[in-house]
Amino acid sequence: DARVTQTPRHKVTEMGQEVTMRCQPILGHNTVFWYRQTMMQGLELLAYFRNRAPLDDSGMPKDRFSAEMPDATLATLKIQPSEPRDSAVYFCASGTGLNYGYTFGSGTRLTVV
Amino acid sequence: GENVEQHPSTLSVQEGDSAVIKCTYSDSASNYFPWYKQELGKRPQLIIDIRSNVGEKKDQRIAVTLNKTAKHFSLHITETQPEDSAVYFCAAWGPNDYKLSFGAGTTVTVRA
Repeated sequence: DARVTQTPRHKVTEMGQEVTMRCQPILGHNTVFWYRQTMMQGLELLAYFRNRAPLDDSGMPKDRFSAEMPDATLATLKIQPSEPRDSAVYFCASGTGLNYGYTFGSGTRLTVV
Repeated sequence: GENVEQHPSTLSVQEGDSAVIKCTYSDSASNYFPWYKQELGKRPQLIIDIRSNVGEKKDQRIAVTLNKTAKHFSLHITETQPEDSAVYFCAAWGPNDYKLSFGAGTTVTVRA
């Protein structure tokens, strides 16, 4: 099965530190999404890209979060500076386009202390 | 954009009984409706989907029905088993969107 690969799987960091999460979408998928989930709550959309171009990042706190897609095989989500309220599981997902389900990665569990 | 509402938020069923989760959507032109299952500590996984030209779709013990007139769709799980315990998310793809709009999720617990 093709997979969306996320690294790291777990990250514990101190408040104020920079955190970078990485995602390798499935080869051939042209749409990449970043979601945040807290304590098995709903899926909060942070940002997404189509053909590497950012389409919408209105779900992200702009002052501390940034999302980029430097090439077709890598998407990054950065938090600087991190805060305890950022503690959550961050999922990356990729898809092939309109009206098709997308595949989620295994997530990065972030804990900010 | 599309708005999806999901009910109930929690559902407890006896093993062997059926479970039904309902979702409504706002845009009548939406035409793709997947369901995701998320087990504890795992990623959401697509388990079944339906398109607007189909009224019902089945896959073993799970089925999805779509009522376009009423703008709602439902997930049916028959003969529930302990491994069906999970959070289930419905979603809809709006006509002018490049993304799915998700419901808030339903936590299903199957009692042995």
